[in-house]
Amino acid sequence: DARVTQTPRHKVTEMGQEVTMRCQPILGHNTVFWYRQTMMQGLELLAYFRNRAPLDDSGMPKDRFSAEMPDATLATLKIQPSEPRDSAVYFCASGLVLVGTDTQYFGPGTRLTVL
Amino acid sequence: QQQVKQSPQSLIVQKGGISIINCAYENTAFDYFPWYQQFPGKGPALLIAIRPDVSEKKEGRFTISFNKSAKQFSLHIMDSQPGDSATYFCAATSASGYALNFGKGTSLLVTP
Repeated sequence: DARVTQTPRHKVTEMGQEVTMRCQPILGHNTVFWYRQTMMQGLELLAYFRNRAPLDDSGMPKDRFSAEMPDATLATLKIQPSEPRDSAVYFCASGLVLVGTDTQYFGPGTRLTVL
Repeated sequence: QQQVKQSPQSLIVQKGGISIINCAYENTAFDYFPWYQQFPGKGPALLIAIRPDVSEKKEGRFTISFNKSAKQFSLHIMDSQPGDSATYFCAATSASGYALNFGKGTSLLVTP
């Protein structure tokens, strides 16, 4: 049963610290998305990659957030320095882009709390 | 700004009843409209999706109705069950493999 995995599942950190979240997309998927979920804003796109190349990162605060795909099996989202307003659930999703298929498969999320 | 507007924010339905959630969009380039279901502590999961070449799609108890001229689509859950209690998100996108624009979600509670 293929699924997207994310680590860590929970992270509590203090303001100013660096946070790194990791995602393993479903094997064979060529598109990876990072979304952030908060009560106020709902689900927002942060960035996404196609074949490991960034396609859109306009949703990310560029001064503190960075997203990378070092290889096809790993996507990372880094926040440095973290701030209390970054507290949210961060989801990674992956998909296989083919004509007529648009399903995005979400991971279980990383719940981040910045104190 | 929010490209997909969803209502209601919350919904309480009795077991066996019909749950209806509505969404509206402005961007006429959108051509894929999925609904995702999210249980507490889990990631969203695709429930059902529709493309604008059809006006309705049904999968089991779940139906999407799509009105292209009004730029609206809705999810109907027939014979709602307590196990359907979850948050439902509508979404839209304009091209294959592009990021989804989500509505703000509807928290559905189905009472026994």
